[in-house]
Amino acid sequence: KQEVTQIPAALSVPEGENLVLNCSFTDSAIYNLQWFRQDPGKGLTSLLLIQSSQREQTSGRLNASLDKSSGRSTLYIAASQPGDSATYLCVSMTTDSWGKLQFGAGTQVVVTP
Amino acid sequence: ETGVTQSPTHLIKTRGQQVTLRCSSQSGHNTVSWYQQALGQGPQFIFQYYREEENGRGNFPPRFSGLQFPNYSSELNVNALELDDSALYLCASSQNGDPGELFFGEGSRLTVL
Repeated sequence: KQEVTQIPAALSVPEGENLVLNCSFTDSAIYNLQWFRQDPGKGLTSLLLIQSSQREQTSGRLNASLDKSSGRSTLYIAASQPGDSATYLCVSMTTDSWGKLQFGAGTQVVVTP
Repeated sequence: ETGVTQSPTHLIKTRGQQVTLRCSSQSGHNTVSWYQQALGQGPQFIFQYYREEENGRGNFPPRFSGLQFPNYSSELNVNALELDDSALYLCASSQNGDPGELFFGEGSRLTVL
């Protein structure tokens, strides 16, 4: 059974600093890995999707890497802004569970002005 | 806005009661999945429906049941409510379970007293 762990559970940084969010997973037979953002009381918004054959994806200030051999993914957010304050969830889909996502517990980020 | 709508947004029930939560999928999506998110945790997969048939289930008891209708809207029913059922229930729709086309609703917040 896939276990997804996110460290740290919470993070507070001043505006302008770079953010590094870590995710580890136990089953390397993943189909893909995604990073989602969740604002308080809201649903989830997909930020980046990395297919199993890829090593990273980038979108604007966001970059996510994937290392299946070590069971790790990292989300980098450059030059953080107060609007980046949210909970970030790491999510995997293993090859034997199409459509079923396994979520980490999330990293709660606060960016102070 | 994702086009996935859930109702009701908030509701309060007492132990032993039954609840029905509803989800309207993104237009053109034939797959819907439901997740339970307890406070401070990542979402947990409940089940998935594809073209009106359940095609995947997480570790939830039978009192959690669902339906998908010909227009691909969906219901989640929970019988004999327990205090631990208090959570945010999220619905996500996609085309054929494709994670690259997965959109979440904003959820239904259930409180069981």
